[in-house]
Amino acid sequence: AQTVTQSQPEMSVQEAETVTLSCTYDTSESDYYLFWYKQPPSRQMILVIRQEAYKQQNATENRFSVNFQKAAKSFSLKISDSQLGDAAMYFCANNFGNEKLTFGTGTRLTIIP
Amino acid sequence: DVKVTQSSRYLVKRTGEKVFLECVQDMDHENMFWYRQDPGLGLRLIYFSYDVKMKEKGDIPEGYSVSREKKERFSLILESASTNQTSMYLCASSLGSPQGAGNTIYFGEGSWLTVV
Repeated sequence: AQTVTQSQPEMSVQEAETVTLSCTYDTSESDYYLFWYKQPPSRQMILVIRQEAYKQQNATENRFSVNFQKAAKSFSLKISDSQLGDAAMYFCANNFGNEKLTFGTGTRLTIIP
Repeated sequence: DVKVTQSSRYLVKRTGEKVFLECVQDMDHENMFWYRQDPGLGLRLIYFSYDVKMKEKGDIPEGYSVSREKKERFSLILESASTNQTSMYLCASSLGSPQGAGNTIYFGEGSWLTVV
């Protein structure tokens, strides 16, 4: 079965500090995309960052970066210099080589002022 | 900017009612999706449509049907609502092939459905 697992239901971090959200997945596919989506309270889900499985270089978007370990099937999200606006549910997702996304169960991130 | 609009943000329906959730996207996307979001379960795919009148079951299609008569509009139908269908429903869209997999999926704001 193709699955996405987020083992941290909740995380908290001090403002301006760095936090890492974990995600693992299981698949026999070799070509796929991985995503992190952010869902702020009562607001729409938006894409944070995307990684192509065949690219070894880890994706980066400003304060957001990933640690992609293909052999370990691990895809963690690092948020540097955490800001109050980063408070949200974060979902990891994998398309497993097709046009649909399979999501993890989410991690609720709290920013402590 | 891509806009995915879900016509109803909050609905309360009675058990056994037929419920329609409507979704419209304005970017000429081929793909449209309906997901259900529940605490501790994340998002689960109900149905996927890759073209007008074309649909594919997702992971949890039981109790739901969909309709896509026009490219921009994708409706989710609960034929006979039950209390276990109380949930947040998210519509989404993306470009289809040949750009294909890896495209950003854009979400609507969600429809909170309570069945009493």
